[in-house]
Amino acid sequence: DQQVKQNSPSLSVQEGRISILNCDYTNSMFDYFLWYKKYPAEGPTFLISISSIKDKNEDGRFTVFLNKSAKHLSLHIVPSQPGDSAVYFCAASATGQGAQKLVFGQGTRLTINP
Amino acid sequence: DSGVTQTPKHLITATGQRVTLRCSPRSGDLSVYWYQQSLDQGLQFLIQYYNGEERAKGNILERFSAQQFPDLHSELNLSSLELGDSALYFCASSLTGTGSSYNEQFFGPGTRLTVL
Repeated sequence: DQQVKQNSPSLSVQEGRISILNCDYTNSMFDYFLWYKKYPAEGPTFLISISSIKDKNEDGRFTVFLNKSAKHLSLHIVPSQPGDSAVYFCAASATGQGAQKLVFGQGTRLTINP
Repeated sequence: DSGVTQTPKHLITATGQRVTLRCSPRSGDLSVYWYQQSLDQGLQFLIQYYNGEERAKGNILERFSAQQFPDLHSELNLSSLELGDSALYFCASSLTGTGSSYNEQFFGPGTRLTVL
């Protein structure tokens, strides 16, 4: 049962344009959502997060949007830079239930073309 | 550098064998998590320890076990290894790992296990 889904295995975007990565979830108990970025041979690094009480969180070039009714979140990167090329994982947790474990999507490989 | 260390970086072994993966959390972090990433898959939560005690269990096989020692480092033991156990194993740590607000998890670089 895949509770967090990233339906696009890969995405290719021109440098300077907007990158939009999408994520869907099924478990309505999830109340905290995160995006992690992963380079080859490294562990995932935290990028940005959002609590279920918000619908938008912004940090520099990165913005995460949460649509609770649709159980959907997205990560916008503007403008996209070559260094953004990596695998991006969406993750969720049900912290209100006392659960700290993260449930991850399968990842989306983002390639920024010069 | 997240401050979480994992050893070894790579491990190659044969089916039926037993291996131990080691994780040292960030200084001050009490909670350790283990995740498995198989080929083209997202990370799957295996188990969490908090201050030496098992806190949460995920999709961890009975052939796998873990523990957290008094100095807070953790070991993941994998036995009777099968080809399908080949994966990246990540350890993460967080300050507490309990409570109703999220505690940020910091990930180590992972151990790549290859079972031949």
